[in-house]
Amino acid sequence: AQSVSQHNHHVILSEAASLELGCNYSYGGTVNLFWYVQYPGQHLQLLLKYFSGDPLVKGIKGFEAEFIKSKFSFNLRKPSVQWSDTAEYFCAVNSYNAGNMLTFGGGTRLMVKP
Amino acid sequence: DAGVIQSPRHEVTEMGQEVTLRCKPISGHNSLFWYRQTMMRGLELLIYFNNNVPIDDSGMPEDRFSAKMPNASFSTLKIQPSEPRDSAVYFCASRWGQGDTEAFFGQGTRLTVV
Repeated sequence: AQSVSQHNHHVILSEAASLELGCNYSYGGTVNLFWYVQYPGQHLQLLLKYFSGDPLVKGIKGFEAEFIKSKFSFNLRKPSVQWSDTAEYFCAVNSYNAGNMLTFGGGTRLMVKP
Repeated sequence: DAGVIQSPRHEVTEMGQEVTLRCKPISGHNSLFWYRQTMMRGLELLIYFNNNVPIDDSGMPEDRFSAKMPNASFSTLKIQPSEPRDSAVYFCASRWGQGDTEAFFGQGTRLTVV
């Protein structure tokens, strides 16, 4: 079945540590890729997106993600996390083959210790 | 624009009662999604409308769940009868276009069935 997988369910880091969250998808064909963030008690907000072109995309708050087509991956990175990055992070895929459904991974809860 | 508006923000109901969740998408958006978020299952896509027509409802858990979109500015998600396992946060999201644009989320409805 087509799916979006996030490998880490919970991540705990100290401030200034580097972050990498994994995301893999199983959809074929043309896809659009997204990372959303959900701060405690809030709704989801877009961090960054990939549609075409440069596979390394930069988003808000110092986040970036790299699309590796051969690995069906779209991993999120940040060189130095802050306490305010504590949130849940969701990878999402829009698949044209799947009728433009927007499907999310299970999410990764990040806790940054001050 | 006020963004995606969901009501109510919180709903507490007794098992067996009918529950109706409401969503007003952003004006001009032509796609609408209903998601359910729980600790165990993460963010699940329930149903996806495009131009007011249900495109995929394979995520609707069972016949107790139904969704409608009578016009471009309003959608409902109904649970009848409700059960304790339906307790979750229900999000509505909307977007313009076919998949190469950001989906905007509402604040969610926290449903508790006792």
